[in-house]
Amino acid sequence: GAGVSQSPRYKVTKRGQDVALRCDPISGHVSLYWYRQALGQGPEFLTYFNYEAQQDKSGLPNDRFSAERPEGSISTLTIQRTEQRDSAMYRCASSLRIGQGNEKLFFGSGTQLSVL
Amino acid sequence: DQQVKQNSPSLSVQEGRISILNCDYTNSMFDYFLWYKKYPAEGPTFLISISSIKDKNEDGRFTVFLNKSAKHLSLHIVPSQPGDSAVYFCAARSGGGSEKLVFGKGTKLTVNP
Repeated sequence: GAGVSQSPRYKVTKRGQDVALRCDPISGHVSLYWYRQALGQGPEFLTYFNYEAQQDKSGLPNDRFSAERPEGSISTLTIQRTEQRDSAMYRCASSLRIGQGNEKLFFGSGTQLSVL
Repeated sequence: DQQVKQNSPSLSVQEGRISILNCDYTNSMFDYFLWYKKYPAEGPTFLISISSIKDKNEDGRFTVFLNKSAKHLSLHIVPSQPGDSAVYFCAARSGGGSEKLVFGKGTKLTVNP
């Protein structure tokens, strides 16, 4: 497809398990972003990449969260030792160019993570 | 501590009338402001943006106004259409070299036929 693709669409896991969320950005898009959205809230920044370089990871809540984009395309957000408070919609977005402020972000449909 | 605030969780207007969605912010370092629209079960989609050095940007039925002294922006939709019914998020770019966006909680707009 032409849009940002995220998998899985839904992920249910038990507390303490590790999860890996995948994002396939729009082909050719340079920048890739991860956001987390709780119910009734706006998206909350986690981290972003320009090509394969992680530019800002200030939004990652703690060291259980990590992200990579080794070849400058697909990205994986990994959460180790999941906790119930990690339950949320995880959204990936990409943009064509390195941000110029008004650069459009194209969001995927998200991965809904539920930690039991 | 919310840096971007959308104080109205919902708004209902009649088709053909004007919709005005409001957003307040606290960080004077924000350098770009954006509006995103979200339909159920979809990701947010970009709608319109404005630089902090401007006070108005217009795109078809959508106009964004920025009042820097009041740290306030608004989105006007004229005329409103039933297809505009969605959740609208106000967002601001942090500036300082980061592309991080700070989002408000959103306002659910319902346009009644």
